Amino acid sequence: DQQVKQNSPSLSVQEGRISILNCDYTNSMFDYFLWYKKYPAEGPTFLISISSIKDKNEDGRFTVFLNKSAKHLSLHIVPSQPGDSAVYFCAASVNYGGSQGNLIFGKGTKLSVKP
Amino acid sequence: SQTIHQWPATLVQPVGSPLSLECTVEGTSNPNLYWYRQAAGRGLQLLFYSVGIGQISSEVPQNLSASRPQDRQFILSSKKLLLSDSGFYLCAWSHGSGNTIYFGEGSWLTVV
Repeated sequence: DQQVKQNSPSLSVQEGRISILNCDYTNSMFDYFLWYKKYPAEGPTFLISISSIKDKNEDGRFTVFLNKSAKHLSLHIVPSQPGDSAVYFCAASVNYGGSQGNLIFGKGTKLSVKP
Repeated sequence: SQTIHQWPATLVQPVGSPLSLECTVEGTSNPNLYWYRQAAGRGLQLLFYSVGIGQISSEVPQNLSASRPQDRQFILSSKKLLLSDSGFYLCAWSHGSGNTIYFGEGSWLTVV
C-alpha cells in the first residue's frame, strides 16, 4: 500500500507560468513533509519542507502548502523556469517520540517547463 | 560543510556476479545512513538504513546486503546479482535527529 502518492506522473508548463505539483498521503501520523528535485542520473536534492504544525512554507519561487484534513500537500513554483524541468519527489515521515522515522517517498512527477 | 560521495557511478555486471557499492560522508559524525534504489518507472525505495556502526536495518527482502564498517562508510553488497537488481542506487545521510535526507550522486547498475 502506497502511503505517499503522486498521481500525476508528468506535468508540462509554459515558462513564466505557475507549476503546481500535488501529493496525497494516507498515514495521518505523518508530521513532516519534504520535496526533492531530481535531474536525470543525479541524486535528489532537497528543495523545501514543511512541518505539520504549519500550512504554508515559502522559499523564493517555491511554496509548499499543507492541507492536513485532506491529507494533501502541493508544491507551487512561480514563475516556472526551464531549469526547473526535473522529477519532483514528495516525501513524508513520522516522529516517533522525538526520533524521526524514515522518509516515505512518492513515485515522482516529471515537470517539463517549455520556453 | 558536509559532503557525500558514492562510487562507482556506473557499473555493468553479469548475472551471478558480486556487487560492492561504497559510500562515504564527510564533515559530520554519527550520521544516519541510507541506501535507496530507484528502479525504472518506480519511485525511491528505501533498502537499508543504519543509525550506527554495525547497525543495519533492512526494509525489503532481497538478495542485497549492507554493512557499516566505519562511522561514515556505508557499503551495499550482493554475492550474486539478479537481472532485477538493475537500477539507480542512491546513498544518503541525515543528522541523527534530523528530518532531511541528503543524497549522493547515485550509481547506475545494469545487470546483463
